[in-house]
Amino acid sequence: NAGVTQTPKFQVLKTGQSMTLQCAQDMNHNSMYWYRQDPGMGLRLIYYSASEGTTDKGEVPNGYNVSRLNKREFSLRLESAAPSQTSVYFCASSVTEGTDFSPLHFGNGTRLTVT
Amino acid sequence: AQSVTQLGSHVSVSEGALVLLRCNYSSSVPPYLFWYVQYPNQGLQLLLKYTSAATLVKGINGFEAEFKKSETSFHLTKPSAHMSDAAEYFCAVIGYSGGYQKVTFGTGTKLQVIP
Repeated sequence: NAGVTQTPKFQVLKTGQSMTLQCAQDMNHNSMYWYRQDPGMGLRLIYYSASEGTTDKGEVPNGYNVSRLNKREFSLRLESAAPSQTSVYFCASSVTEGTDFSPLHFGNGTRLTVT
Repeated sequence: AQSVTQLGSHVSVSEGALVLLRCNYSSSVPPYLFWYVQYPNQGLQLLLKYTSAATLVKGINGFEAEFKKSETSFHLTKPSAHMSDAAEYFCAVIGYSGGYQKVTFGTGTKLQVIP
């Protein structure tokens, strides 16, 4: 059982380049999330998808777009990368039914450097 | 709005000593609280969760946390530190917002275990 798989693991971009971070989960979770992690700031939510076909902005959505391709896959796109987007990006998923709070399951992250 | 505050961005303990990582929360409703651990170059893994069933929660790897409403605290403890406990620990509070599971993370505490 792979859980949450993120690709690529590492990426270096030049300012202005674009790229898509891929995420797939095999746990049949309905909700998926993209976070960025920066030193001393914890994890901040970029976008989330409560269910297939829906996406919404989180705390720091500027400069990013997302696509919930199907129930398994949730991609994050940087259209024109900036040095401020240098970070570690984590995809996560969870099952949300009624008011039960299930823990987030995380991928191993993508380390992105923008020069 | 829900929030968590982790006191101490770095904590050092000797191997075999007590581990105490502090987390205080702010929530207008009974909170659902989690502790996550992050090992180097990995995603976050769930250590334990509080969902109001019991105030003392036991997690994996010998960790436990006690929910104290009067102190708005959810501190993480382990009686005897092991070298393998060296990692970064995140406290998180979870609630619903706009139909999705909104997770707010603390800024993290890095635990160093000294041989």
